[in-house]
Amino acid sequence: EVRLLESGGGLIQPGGSLRLSCAVSGFTLSSYAMSWVRQAPGKGLEWISGISGSGDSTYYADSVKGRFTISRDKSKNTLYLQMKSLRVEDTALYYCAKEHFSGGWYDYWGQGTLVTVSS
Amino acid sequence: DIQMTQTPSSLSAFVGDRVTITCRASQRISTYLNWYQQKPGKAPNLLIYATSSLQSGVPSRFSGSGSGTDFTLTISSLQPEDFATYYCQQSYSNPWTFGQGTKVEMK
Repeated sequence: EVRLLESGGGLIQPGGSLRLSCAVSGFTLSSYAMSWVRQAPGKGLEWISGISGSGDSTYYADSVKGRFTISRDKSKNTLYLQMKSLRVEDTALYYCAKEHFSGGWYDYWGQGTLVTVSS
Repeated sequence: DIQMTQTPSSLSAFVGDRVTITCRASQRISTYLNWYQQKPGKAPNLLIYATSSLQSGVPSRFSGSGSGTDFTLTISSLQPEDFATYYCQQSYSNPWTFGQGTKVEMK
């Protein structure tokens, strides 16, 4: 059974850093592209970062480029999102999502981890 | 980046109604269009991928069509469990982008 479990969210002050984790099971992380998608309170879905199946390519939305870094640890089957210079507008529920091998649709999602940036 | 625009932003309907949601891309995306359903407090759930392919386990009352820039999601007979927010997403060009969502409410 495929499972994705995010962790690492919390309350952080503006300018702070946080690392989110997404532990996966039921599949091998290195075989699939993965993404982080966030959802601000009461708002829609925003793709923010992705990593290719090979791990050779990473992608970022302009809103987080230069501040967030996506990575993975194959030995731990865990995806990460390192977030720096956090802003109030980064407050959101952060989901990790697995891409289907045939294309860019997300067939599995985690339950999300909440990041609140506030002083 | 490709912009995805959904219409309407919200709609009210009765159980049993036929419901259609439209998604328009800012440039041609072939059939690289996917649909998700999200219920309050839950993660999105894939309904349809590649415009018209039904994800395993999704009821056949859901269907998708379109190509190029204009796409539709149709629910043939709305059921109580279908009241939710629906999102389209293009997977033609990185970065993948989502529509702003369409909330389907009970009339």
